Amino acid sequence: DAKTTQPPSMDCAEGRAANLPCNHSTISGNEYVYWYRQIHSQGPQYIIHGLKNNETNEMASLIITEDRKSSTLILPHATLRDTAVYYCIVRVRTGGGNKLTFGTGTQLKVEL
Amino acid sequence: DVKVTQSSRYLVKRTGEKVFLECVQDMDHENMFWYRQDPGLGLRLIYFSYDVKMKEKGDIPEGYSVSREKKERFSLILESASTNQTSMYLCASRPVGVEETQYFGPGTRLLVL
Repeated sequence: DAKTTQPPSMDCAEGRAANLPCNHSTISGNEYVYWYRQIHSQGPQYIIHGLKNNETNEMASLIITEDRKSSTLILPHATLRDTAVYYCIVRVRTGGGNKLTFGTGTQLKVEL
Repeated sequence: DVKVTQSSRYLVKRTGEKVFLECVQDMDHENMFWYRQDPGLGLRLIYFSYDVKMKEKGDIPEGYSVSREKKERFSLILESASTNQTSMYLCASRPVGVEETQYFGPGTRLLVL
């Protein structure tokens, strides 16, 4: 299983871009990178995922390096409501289902 | 929007009680999952189910069982609750497909006294 490494915490000013890094140096060729976030006392929420190309949706952008050993989640204009723990996950397939292995994530604090 | 609901947000039970946690999803997803989340340990998979009446053990199945009699409902059962099962329990569902994501419920915070 590919392991991910994220900084434990980051701060960001409201309205600025939040860039959250993730290292996954042992990722294998068919594994996707997923990002979820968890706002306090709620269930995790899917944000975005990618294989090797950069991806963008209404919530965020995902930049994956060419060697796929790291990625960056970008929240282009962070708001106070983006304060959450952000998890970078490499998808593992097991049996008939697919489990998500959540690490400890990055606590993002968006401040005025 | 996908909706995953869990029967309770907060639950307090006594040691030795039988506890049922219910999860319902309304998007006809084949796969459903039960996780528990503890500080410093992240999310850990307890059980998952890829079809009605089908189940597979996750990483920490001891002390738990599950039931999936209908596609939309996945139940987690603590046969005899213990204090070390105090935790946040999260249910998730996912349709079949390589890229499909998991959708989580709001969680049930269980306290076993």
